Parts: sequence; structure tokens; C-alpha cells
Amino acid sequence: KNEVEQSPQNLTAQEGEFITINCSYSVGISALHWLQQHPGGGIVSLFMLSSGKKKHGRLIATINIQEKHSSLHITASHPRDSAVYICAVPLRGQFYFGTGTSLTVIP
Amino acid sequence: DAGVIQSPRHEVTEMGQEVTLRCKPISGHDYLFWYRQTMMRGLELLIYFNNNVPIDDSGMPEDRFSAKMPNASFSTLKIQPSEPRDSAVYFCASSRYSVDEKLFFGSGTQLSVL
Repeated sequence: KNEVEQSPQNLTAQEGEFITINCSYSVGISALHWLQQHPGGGIVSLFMLSSGKKKHGRLIATINIQEKHSSLHITASHPRDSAVYICAVPLRGQFYFGTGTSLTVIP
Repeated sequence: DAGVIQSPRHEVTEMGQEVTLRCKPISGHDYLFWYRQTMMRGLELLIYFNNNVPIDDSGMPEDRFSAKMPNASFSTLKIQPSEPRDSAVYFCASSRYSVDEKLFFGSGTQLSVL
């Protein structure tokens, strides 16, 4: 059983579309992380959040601790947003990762 | 700070050879993680250290894998002997005080074992 489930696995969008990626987890956590991995392979931490909502540019992350669910939204998507987005939860002293959502934004 | 530094970026070796991957965490970070990423399994934790002490190595596949952290600024992951199924991208990451802190990744080492 995976502690962290992401959906969708793959997502293709037209430039300008609003995008939502979902992450559900099965255990109590103190914080959740959203990561971005570009085609070049590097992984960057986008957000760490434990409640409510965080915004950085066109990216918005929300979390509902009671429902054990988080979403990552991208407004006015752009081809440079094409990447794999991964949610991660710290549990028992380490991180557990979702399988990732591969996003392709078409011009 | 230069971020988490990994070397080499790419490693191609033949089956049976020893492979050593290196990592320099961000200064002041107490936690260091080694991950392996494959298409099939995604990101998997191999081992992590807290203050240079290995805390959880349950993700290390088998005795062919070993990791050390002789000081706060350097860690190695060694595979001996290497096998084709070890081919993957190996990431090192560090965080400041705990896993509840933001995680910083190195650029990864692409390992190909022929």
C-alpha cells in the first residue's frame, strides 16, 4: 500500500489552461512537500505546507489535513511548466513520495 | 551557498566494477538522504543520516550497497560489485533540522552499468 497517491499520472494541457494535480495520503503528517522535476532531471522543492494555502507566482498549493489531501494548481499554464510534479510526506523520519504527475503544456 | 553538490554527474561502468558516488550537503544541514530514481519505482530512499549517523538504511538493496558520512560535509554511496539493475539516477538531498524542513536536492548522478 502506498502512503502517498497522486493523480493524474499524466496530464496534457494547452497553454493558458488552469491545472490541478492532486495528492492523497493515508497517515497523519505534520507537513507535505511539492517537488518539481524538469526534463533535465533536477529536483526542486516548490512548497512545504502544513495548513491552508501557499502561493508562489502562478503556483498555488493547498492542503486539507483532516481530509488528508493536497492540491497543486498552476494558473495560466506555460510550456515551461512542463515537468514532473511530485508530492512527498515526511513520515517516521523519512520522506515518502508519490509516483509523480507528468505535465506537458502545449503551446 | 552552492547547494547540494553531487559527483560525478554521469557514470558509465561495466558490471562487476566498483562505483562511488559523492555528495556534499548544504552547510548547516543536519539531515542527508540518498535516493534512487527509476522509471519503474520512482524515488526510493536508500539511507539517511542525521548528524553523520546512519538512521535508517532499510532501503539499501543489499550488501553490495554501502554508505558513509565521515563528516558533516561529505558522504559517499558505494556499490561493489555493480550490476546492470543498479542503473538509475541517484540523488543526494539534505535538510536543515528535520524532515519537516524543506528538502534540497543535488543534481543527481546518472549511473549506467553495462
